[in-house]
Amino acid sequence: DTGVSQDPRHKITKRGQNVTFRCDPISEHNRLYWYRQTLGQGPEFLTYFQNEAQLEKSRLLSDRFSAERPKGSFSTLEIQRTEQGDSAMYLCASSFTQKDTQYFGPGTRLTVL
Amino acid sequence: SQQGEEDPQALSIQEGENATMNCSYKTSINNLQWYRQNSGRGLVHLILIRSNEREKHSGRLRVTLDTSKKSSSLLITASRAADTASYFCATDSISSGSARQLTFGSGTQLTVLP
Repeated sequence: DTGVSQDPRHKITKRGQNVTFRCDPISEHNRLYWYRQTLGQGPEFLTYFQNEAQLEKSRLLSDRFSAERPKGSFSTLEIQRTEQGDSAMYLCASSFTQKDTQYFGPGTRLTVL
Repeated sequence: SQQGEEDPQALSIQEGENATMNCSYKTSINNLQWYRQNSGRGLVHLILIRSNEREKHSGRLRVTLDTSKKSSSLLITASRAADTASYFCATDSISSGSARQLTFGSGTQLTVLP
């Protein structure tokens, strides 16, 4: 257990539905990252927060995706109008500073039917 | 995009043997990290080696870094069945923003047979 928690651990949804995932980072970490991992591949960067500010978004993050970190603590990732190609493991990580190790949560596995 | 590429993609060894995994990357880095992932789980950080370091040890792990060849290796000595997992190398890159996003390879699946 790294101290980063994610909820839910598994989500099955039908195509076209909206889903929201939550990440609780290690409490003193002000940096929070979202990654996506498909089967047999390494994680790919999606977006990054420093405190409540979303400072960077990957080209992978289409306009159907939105992430928030309203109070600089937990973060949510919402996917609207899900597509089958969105099926993946969504991983959250946090770190104390830019140079520190990123600690990953257990991930949320999304299956879009 | 995946910067790092691990080699081999899959490795199967007997318990007690050593396992060596290699990683190659394309651009200049600040550091390189190795992570382990058990099936269906999150990633566990193993070791970080900075660009000005050549070798680092942690328990049964030994990591080397050759920045001239843009490659790294992870050696697990005296392997155990519990070491069975996927191993990923990750490099950090300074993108257009201020993020130190990690760029992962596609991983090596290690199986340690009892």
